[in-house]
Amino acid sequence: DAGVIQSPRHEVTEMGQEVTLRCKPISGHDYLFWYRQTMMRGLELLIYFNNNVPIDDSGMPEDRFSAKMPNASFSTLKIQPSEPRDSAVYFCASSLISSRETQYFGPGTRLLVL
Amino acid sequence: GIQVEQSPPDLILQEGANSTLRCNFSDSVNNLQWFHQNPWGQLINLFYIPSGTKQNGRLSATTVATERYSLLYISSSQTTDSGVYFCAVLYSGGGADGLTFGKGTHLIIQP
Repeated sequence: DAGVIQSPRHEVTEMGQEVTLRCKPISGHDYLFWYRQTMMRGLELLIYFNNNVPIDDSGMPEDRFSAKMPNASFSTLKIQPSEPRDSAVYFCASSLISSRETQYFGPGTRLLVL
Repeated sequence: GIQVEQSPPDLILQEGANSTLRCNFSDSVNNLQWFHQNPWGQLINLFYIPSGTKQNGRLSATTVATERYSLLYISSSQTTDSGVYFCAVLYSGGGADGLTFGKGTHLIIQP
């Protein structure tokens, strides 16, 4: 399997623009997670899905952030409008049947908002 | 929420040395993973080890769940081992299913 795939790998945008990050989980995995890594807060969970259904979005920082999973092989994380403080590395991860199993991480998207 | 503490925060070693990284957690867990974040920022799975001992080449890990700690051993260090090592856990008492990460140990292996 190709592993978790994320795109783009790097994104530079200007404040106020809409940003869409994409993730393709490992085929057959039921759980999908979005994490964010910043210098100040480290790695933290934003939202996760089970069988395409959002289960917990309490980690989403504010209403400017939204995530969807229209099917088992695709998820998006959208920031609208983007702000400089959103600059971070965004990781997508997936696990097979439950979160108690190994979570496999994608390569991340490095976002810079100017 | 569950707390994860890693030590030491920084470690500088010469090539060939051995090292032990520690992860303490504040509550019971049903998932514990060790990751290596390489200089390119990728998170590489090292071990899934909620309990017991595992070995993979020069790396091994032990988790003593009853005492709430895990250790990562690196033997005969190589420069490619440099990077940040993260411990991440999933609290077994319910709540969100995402991993809680420690702050990491920044390891530098000098040639």
